[in-house]
Amino acid sequence: DGGITQSPKYLFRKEGQNVTLSCEQNLNHDAMYWYRQDPGQGLRLIYYSQIVNDFQKGDIAEGYSVSREKKESFPLTVTSAQKNPTAFYLCASRATRGSFYEQYFGPGTRLTVT
Amino acid sequence: AQKVTQAQTEISVVEKEDVTLDCVYETRDTTYYLFWYKQPPSGELVFLIRRNSFDEQNEISGRYSWNFQKSTSSFNFTITASQVVDSAVYFCALSEANAGGTSYGKLTFGQGTILTVHP
Repeated sequence: DGGITQSPKYLFRKEGQNVTLSCEQNLNHDAMYWYRQDPGQGLRLIYYSQIVNDFQKGDIAEGYSVSREKKESFPLTVTSAQKNPTAFYLCASRATRGSFYEQYFGPGTRLTVT
Repeated sequence: AQKVTQAQTEISVVEKEDVTLDCVYETRDTTYYLFWYKQPPSGELVFLIRRNSFDEQNEISGRYSWNFQKSTSSFNFTITASQVVDSAVYFCALSEANAGGTSYGKLTFGQGTILTVHP
């Protein structure tokens, strides 16, 4: 089945440690996105990538980094510079060729930093 | 800047009631897309509908219907004869597009409406 996988579902880290969240898709989508969701709030865009080896900052990129070395993969690193990293992180992908398409989301990773 | 407002934070209904979720948006773009997503307790967002700014036709899909009114910048979502399985957080979202209809696809989300359907 085609889809987006994020692992792990729950992640715990100590303050001051960097942590990398995985996002893999087998939908052959060119574009990929990372969002952050805090309790009672909507999703906010962290980073996005339209093609391999290219990515742009979203609205809240400070304290995060990404890479896009393969079409299928878009890992997100939460660095120690992120002041409030505890949140639910969602990865999404979208087809970009032809008409305008919606984003499809992975199951999310819930990160807790103490 | 784009903005999406879902004024209803929480709605509680009894099964079989109809319920309407409100969404009001702001954008300077003439071409844009509107979306509704459902987030069940598992956390994954499920795509429900996409509507472009040139298509103001209402849409019905089973028990779901959407009313898009450009004049009031609203894109409301109605669930008819609600069921317990409809309980979830519902998000309205907006994406810009250029004149050719393409875009980076960045979504601006509303705060979400928590819908609880009681048996």
